[in-house]
Amino acid sequence: DGGITQSPKYLFRKEGQNVTLSCEQNLNHDAMYWYRQDPGQGLRLIYYSQIVNDFQKGDIAEGYSVSREKKESFPLTVTSAQKNPTAFYLCASSSAVGGRYTGELFFGEGSRLTVL
Amino acid sequence: SQKIEQNSEALNIQEGKTATLTCNYTNYSPAYLQWYRQDPGRGPVFLLLIRENEKEKRKERLKVTFDTTLKQSLFHITASQPADSATYLCALGQLYNTDKLIFGTGTRLQVFP
Repeated sequence: DGGITQSPKYLFRKEGQNVTLSCEQNLNHDAMYWYRQDPGQGLRLIYYSQIVNDFQKGDIAEGYSVSREKKESFPLTVTSAQKNPTAFYLCASSSAVGGRYTGELFFGEGSRLTVL
Repeated sequence: SQKIEQNSEALNIQEGKTATLTCNYTNYSPAYLQWYRQDPGRGPVFLLLIRENEKEKRKERLKVTFDTTLKQSLFHITASQPADSATYLCALGQLYNTDKLIFGTGTRLQVFP
């Protein structure tokens, strides 16, 4: 079935370590996104990409990095520079019809990162 | 600054009743509004999209209204069931710019038998 796969589901990190969260989609969507979700806050956009080999910062990009070498993949690295990385991370994708995005986001199941 | 408000308190209703959730916004002129369902520990699932020139949209037991004058959307679930228990998120967006999608904090709905 088509969808978005995030891994790992749970991840523990020691302070000072970088970690990479995987996101793969087989929906043939052009655009992919990373959001962060914290209790009591709406989803906040970290990075997004509308085309291979190109990506833009979202509202809270500091301390994160991404790559988009393939259409299907959009991994997120949480670096040691991120001061408060413990959160639930969500990857999403959307399609563009005639260059116009339909607006609907398809989300993965999320990755919960805990810093020890 | 742009702001979306959803009732942070949980909504508890009895099975069979209609659940009504509210999404209010300020300092924003969205082209469309979306509603998502999110179960604990899982990613949101898209439910409905309503555009600024639409007053109401329905899908099975779901109904969404969009009042751009009041800057408010109402999300209704009729004949609610315990399986409808989840957190419901609203999101506002602009055409051609999905990077500008803004999410509310969500309202938790609990339907009890």
